[in-house]
Amino acid sequence: KQEVTQIPAALSVPEGENLVLNCSFTDSAIYNLQWFRQDPGKGLTSLLLIQSSQREQTSGRLNASLDKSSGRSTLYIAASQPGDSATYLCAVNGDYGQNFVFGPGTRLSVLP
Amino acid sequence: EAQVTQNPRYLITVTGKKLTVTCSQNMNHEYMSWYRQDPGLGLRQIYYSMNVEVTDKGDVPEGYKVSRKEKRNFPLILESPSPNQTSLYFCASSLRTSLIYEQYFGPGTRLTVT
Repeated sequence: KQEVTQIPAALSVPEGENLVLNCSFTDSAIYNLQWFRQDPGKGLTSLLLIQSSQREQTSGRLNASLDKSSGRSTLYIAASQPGDSATYLCAVNGDYGQNFVFGPGTRLSVLP
Repeated sequence: EAQVTQNPRYLITVTGKKLTVTCSQNMNHEYMSWYRQDPGLGLRQIYYSMNVEVTDKGDVPEGYKVSRKEKRNFPLILESPSPNQTSLYFCASSLRTSLIYEQYFGPGTRLTVT
């Protein structure tokens, strides 16, 4: 059964720092990996999706990498801002995409 | 505007009183899914649907029912709600394109069962 973990569980950094969030999964037979952002009490917003054949994706200050063979993905946030404060979740899917498994999330606080 | 909508957004009910949470998407997506989110347990999949009249269980289906009679709608039914179903529920949809399943989420429904 696929299991997804995220490290660290919580992170607090001063504004302007570059930071890395980690996601690990136990079964490398995935079709894609998706990073989401969730603000308190709100829904999930998709940030980046990496297909299994890709190594990385970039969007603005965000860069996500995927190492499928080792079961790892990282989300790199450059020049962090207080508005980046949120919980970041990764999710993977396999077996023709029907079953998505989420990690527990990393709660990020960026201090002014 | 492309979106996933859920209704109601907030619901307080009593044990045993049947309820339905609606989910609708306007993106012509084949795949739809329901999740519940609980503190310390994260997001867990309840049911999913690959297309009209095709549904299957996720990781935590007990106590829930779904139906997919139309492509755009995927209601979640709690026949006899219990307090352990108090949770934040999310509906999601995605387009099946070359095995890409980028998910779009609704705003969530906060359910309290007393």
